[in-house]
Amino acid sequence: GAGVSQTPSNKVTEKGKYVELRCDPISGHTALYWYRQSLGQGPEFLIYFQGTGAADDSGLPNDRFFAVRPEGSVSTLKIQRTERGDSAVYLCASSSTGGGKGELFFGEGSRLTVL
Amino acid sequence: GNSVTQMEGPVTLSEEAFLTINCTYTATGYPSLFWYVQYPGEGLQLLLKATKADDKGSNKGFEATYRKETTSFHLEKGSVQVSDSAVYFCALPTTSGTYKYIFGTGTRLKVLA
Repeated sequence: GAGVSQTPSNKVTEKGKYVELRCDPISGHTALYWYRQSLGQGPEFLIYFQGTGAADDSGLPNDRFFAVRPEGSVSTLKIQRTERGDSAVYLCASSSTGGGKGELFFGEGSRLTVL
Repeated sequence: GNSVTQMEGPVTLSEEAFLTINCTYTATGYPSLFWYVQYPGEGLQLLLKATKADDKGSNKGFEATYRKETTSFHLEKGSVQVSDSAVYFCALPTTSGTYKYIFGTGTRLKVLA
C-alpha cells in the first residue's frame, strides 16, 4: 500500500494478557516511530528506529513494553501483562529521513482497550 | 530538553472567521517546526513546516511563521471552512541525541456553518 499500515485497528483485551501491534511503514522509509495517544492529548513518544536498531527507546514506560524491527521494515510493539492504564491509541509513523527535518507519515493507529 | 506549548481548545468559529492557534516552543538551537492536523477518523498528517528562522510555512490557506525572537510558530488562516474542523498539533524535534519529535497537546477546532 501507499501509506503506513497498522494492525489491528482495534484490540480489546483483558488485564494481564499479552498484545502485539504491527506497523508496516512506507516502503524505503528508514526511520520508524511509535507514539501513544490518550484521549485529548498529543502523541507521546515511545521509541524510534533507524533501520533495524532502536535509536531511542527512552519513551517506553516500563519493561512490559518492547518493540522490534528485525528487517528494517515492519515493526511490532509488544506489551506484556497489560494494565488498564495501557489503554490508548498506539500510533506508528515513518519517515524517509532522520535528523529532525523530515515529514512523519502516520498510520491510523491501533486502539487498545484493556478491560 | 525541547518542548512545545499550544493554546488549549476547543476553538469554535463561524465559517469565514479568522483563525489563530498559538504555539510557543523551547529549544536548543533552531530546529524545524511543524504543524500536523488530525481530521475526524483519520491519521495525523503534515499541514505545514518551516525549517529555519523567519521561514513561513503554508498549505491549504494556513500559514505559520517561525519567529525566533518570540519563540513562536502560531498557525493562522484568514477564512476558515467547515472542512477545517479537526485537531491541530504543533511539533518539533529534539536537537540533541536522536531527533525524536515532540508534540503539543493539540487544539480542537470546530467550524460552524
